[in-house]
Amino acid sequence: EVQLLESGGTLVQPGGSLRLSCGVSGFVFSDYAMSWVRQAPGKGLEWVAGITDNGDATYYAESLRGRFVISRDNSKDTVDLQMNTLKADDTAVYYCAGVDSRGSYSNAFDIWGQGTMVTVSS
Amino acid sequence: SYELTQPPSVSVSPGQTVNITCSGDKLGDKYACWYQKKPGQSPVLIIYQDSKRPSGIPERFSASNSGDTATLSISVTQAMDEADYYCQTWAGGTAVVFGGGTRLTVL
Repeated sequence: EVQLLESGGTLVQPGGSLRLSCGVSGFVFSDYAMSWVRQAPGKGLEWVAGITDNGDATYYAESLRGRFVISRDNSKDTVDLQMNTLKADDTAVYYCAGVDSRGSYSNAFDIWGQGTMVTVSS
Repeated sequence: SYELTQPPSVSVSPGQTVNITCSGDKLGDKYACWYQKKPGQSPVLIIYQDSKRPSGIPERFSASNSGDTATLSISVTQAMDEADYYCQTWAGGTAVVFGGGTRLTVL
């Protein structure tokens, strides 16, 4: 069974930092490019960052570039999101999601975690 | 930056067909996909590569993509289809773009 389990979400003060982690099982992690996608309360889905299957390239939403860093460890089947200088607008449920690099779903996110809530507030 | 535009909401009567549009500049030149998201649940891929359904997705869900518009169609709509629907594509090959989402209400 494919499983993606995010962790690390919590209440953090504005200006603070937080590291989210997503551990996976049930599939070959190195076959998947991974991304973080968030949904703020009452808002739509927003792509945050992505990383290739072997970790050699990372991509970021333009509005978040410089504050967030995505990384992965294929030996541990984990993908992380380091979030710095957090703002109230970063309050959201953060999902990790995967794209099969073999092209099975033509670069669509066919696997998703259940999400972890990040609240930025004083 | 590339944008995808969806109507905020649509409504349909049970058993009828509903179409949800997603507009973007020359969207038909890219692959579009669609996700269904219900409150408290993770998004589910329902359409990829413009019109293909992953295994387990009912045939009631179909889609097309041409010109500037991708369209998701749900036929014989059921109460369980009430959800938010998001279109998505890639811009420049490295940036993911989601539409704003459409709330489907089954009246």
